[in-house]
Amino acid sequence: SQQGEEDPQALSIQEGENATMNCSYKTSINNLQWYRQNSGRGLVHLILIRSNEREKHSGRLRVTLDTSKKSSSLLITASRAADTASYFCATQGSARQLTFGSGTQLTVLP
Amino acid sequence: GAVVSQHPSWVICKSGTSVKIECRSLDFQATTMFWYRQFPKQSLMLMATSNEGSKATYEQGVEKDKFLINHASLTLSTLTVTSAHPEDSSFYICSATRGQITKETQYFGPGTRLLVL
Repeated sequence: SQQGEEDPQALSIQEGENATMNCSYKTSINNLQWYRQNSGRGLVHLILIRSNEREKHSGRLRVTLDTSKKSSSLLITASRAADTASYFCATQGSARQLTFGSGTQLTVLP
Repeated sequence: GAVVSQHPSWVICKSGTSVKIECRSLDFQATTMFWYRQFPKQSLMLMATSNEGSKATYEQGVEKDKFLINHASLTLSTLTVTSAHPEDSSFYICSATRGQITKETQYFGPGTRLLVL
């Protein structure tokens, strides 16, 4: 079953603006991961944040994790048209299985 | 490194036929492979977990007799959609993990788009 929800479902911004996506989940986790999927393509792993971490950065990406609220956010700064894609959060518990959120479709307008 | 390939990338078949999809880890040995299904504009749903040399573990609601999974080697897992019907049309994605230490990371294949007429 699907672990959680992401919001917004769709986000449209201008190039150069920041994009923030949120993810909520329901059970305890070992880590939370964010993936990007271009239309009709496979998934690209962006960043992993462990349950004992609160914030992590990778280039223009910033991820936060609040285990008390069971939520995470992904911030993309200075967005580019090439960032247009669907973004999914995925949680991983003690097993290896990933449970994906519902996804956010990001459109960056040039 | 850690490249996963899928073959074919897309397939169109008639209702009632069986379709086999291959998932290969090209430069590592995959101890575990996962099969996901994704319907248009929806998220990925895990179908089954496949360990080399043992039977696959299917998620609730996934028919094991319809979606046959074989993980015969550490670099190859196959998913066979038996007697495919139009409702099986979907995007099928596999992923693989390597070793015990790096079990957090799944490497995803590019996906296989199946259209059943």
